[in-house]
Amino acid sequence: SQQGEEDPQALSIQEGENATMNCSYKTSINNLQWYRQNSGRGLVHLILIRSNEREKHSGRLRVTLDTSKKSSSLLITASRAADTASYFCATDEGGNDYKLSFGAGTTVTVRA
Amino acid sequence: EAEVAQSPRYKITEKSQAVAFWCDPISGHATLYWYRQILGQGPELLVQFQDESVVDDSQLPKDRFSAERLKGVDSTLKIQPAELGDSAMYLCASSFYRGTGANVLTFGAGSRLTVL
Repeated sequence: SQQGEEDPQALSIQEGENATMNCSYKTSINNLQWYRQNSGRGLVHLILIRSNEREKHSGRLRVTLDTSKKSSSLLITASRAADTASYFCATDEGGNDYKLSFGAGTTVTVRA
Repeated sequence: EAEVAQSPRYKITEKSQAVAFWCDPISGHATLYWYRQILGQGPELLVQFQDESVVDDSQLPKDRFSAERLKGVDSTLKIQPAELGDSAMYLCASSFYRGTGANVLTFGAGSRLTVL
């Protein structure tokens, strides 16, 4: 079973624009993570936000977390062609840090 | 930079045949995961090891799938017999996590299985 759900399923933007995707989850969590997956490859960790944090930045990435709504958003600013990938949120189920569950992902296409 | 090694990268097999995937995690990583990812979906956990012990295999179809991590280092995932519905990417991931801090996974490049 998948704990998280990303929205939208797919997103197409022009280079230089911002991309925003959302993740909703079902149970309480300790942390929420975002991963990126280029076509046909494994996932790469991008950023982690703890349940007591509301916002976190890393380079062109901005993550927010609203535990009352059980939701998170990932913003990629000034997108580049290299940002074309699928993005997944991952949560620990019920606070079990060992068990990470992934959503279905948002596929982002950045047009040159 | 340390990597999680997986082989083979691609495997084509006929249904009812046996297939095996191998994973070598980052040195020192105690936790190892096998995920299955069907095209267009997110990864789904099949089995999780802590050192050589299975921690969670609740989603592993045990009638045809088996996994082992005998010396707590590398791991093998086997499917016998393979079915058409097993066509997917099989991802191995590892982490240093031992109960404190954050559990951040490092993934291998995956093994793409096609069952004909």
